[in-house]
Amino acid sequence: SQQGEEDPQALSIQEGENATMNCSYKTSINNLQWYRQNSGRGLVHLILIRSNEREKHSGRLRVTLDTSKKSSSLLITASRAADTASYFCAPFDAGNMLTFGGGTRLMVKP
Amino acid sequence: DTGVSQNPRHKITKRGQNVTFRCDPISEHNRLYWYRQTLGQGPEFLTYFQNEAQLEKSRLLSDRFSAERPKGSFSTLEIQRTEQGDSAMYLCASSKRTSGPFTGELFFGEGSRLTVL
Repeated sequence: SQQGEEDPQALSIQEGENATMNCSYKTSINNLQWYRQNSGRGLVHLILIRSNEREKHSGRLRVTLDTSKKSSSLLITASRAADTASYFCAPFDAGNMLTFGGGTRLMVKP
Repeated sequence: DTGVSQNPRHKITKRGQNVTFRCDPISEHNRLYWYRQTLGQGPEFLTYFQNEAQLEKSRLLSDRFSAERPKGSFSTLEIQRTEQGDSAMYLCASSKRTSGPFTGELFFGEGSRLTVL
């Protein structure tokens, strides 16, 4: 298994703005997943993008994957205060577990 | 699905005491994972089970940590002789049995927060 590295470590924006966070990883993957964690809570799966996909949408979320650069980005459009959370990427390489980096801490100010 | 359930949600103990956390996965999920998360960090993988078999335990932090899943349903994580450095959130996750390749998608519980005084 391998972990992703999220960038930036922290991001502060105003409500209504878009938030973009990036993820880099090291070796080939089967898919890449994004999770959200509200303070003091468990992680919640947001979206999974397969290695043969380049872009995926789910509501206000847009995920891109560039396997040649070994990177992914998560875009949250029209952010809300409720989007305040930590976001983790998890590259999955057909091992048996997911490993996580330090995440991006997003703060959306009302 | 009722979700992954963890108990207790909070535990305060004195150094040297033993603690046990319980995780009830989503029913029929055959894989169960334990992670530890310290403040400001991402979850750190500890161990996982497929049904009742513990298939990876080399990342348990020390021999004071042990986990069981005796009947392939709920699991327990025990920490013996707790130390202040064990203070953390302990997260449990489970994943679906699928007919196709495993995708790695995890369903997490709300965690058990341990404070060692």
